[in-house]
Amino acid sequence: ETGVTQSPTHLIKTRGQQVTLRCSSQSGHNTVSWYQQALGQGPQFIFQYYREEENGRGNFPPRFSGLQFPNYSSELNVNALELDDSALYLCASSPSGGAANEKLFFGSGTQLSVL
Amino acid sequence: RKEVEQDPGPFNVPEGATVAFNCTYSNSASQSFFWYRQDCRKEPKLLMSVYSSGNEDGRFTAQLNRASQYISLLIRDSKLSDSATYLCVVAMNRDDKIIFGKGTRLHILP
Repeated sequence: ETGVTQSPTHLIKTRGQQVTLRCSSQSGHNTVSWYQQALGQGPQFIFQYYREEENGRGNFPPRFSGLQFPNYSSELNVNALELDDSALYLCASSPSGGAANEKLFFGSGTQLSVL
Repeated sequence: RKEVEQDPGPFNVPEGATVAFNCTYSNSASQSFFWYRQDCRKEPKLLMSVYSSGNEDGRFTAQLNRASQYISLLIRDSKLSDSATYLCVVAMNRDDKIIFGKGTRLHILP
């Protein structure tokens, strides 16, 4: 096990609602990144947080936002949910701020279904 | 052209055979390369990093060809437990952007 925990494991929402997903990083890791994985696709990078600041973002609209807390845990918020937001949302932590060069430790993910 | 492209498969390979996957990337500024393995309904896990000189870890060999912008993964003496989806990952230090391929599905047949 990686030590990265995500909650909840499954979630069902309706179109237009808002959702908050949570991630606790592995002990000693200060960088958290979030990914969206649709069925049959690879994970798509949403954004990354290092020491409470966003320091990298993929091609996702502003309704996808996040936070990182002083204990390095993180939240992903999605507003105005759309049907296409249905996916597995993965959180990954890494030890020292440069996730591009580091091994990513993934949590088990949150399966979000938007009806 | 997609940023990272992989043959989706599935590759159906008999146990004990050798199988190879390729992955191409479009951005020549890419600096870090990895192979991850993802089992069905599970999270991805790092299989190996890929270095310019090529690297080997047991039955697994990874190669990087910067001139042609592709990386490869070779699995020798395949085992049933190798059945999984193999994800190619390319990263650029600038903006810490990390790009996953769609993955290649491998089924090892008894």
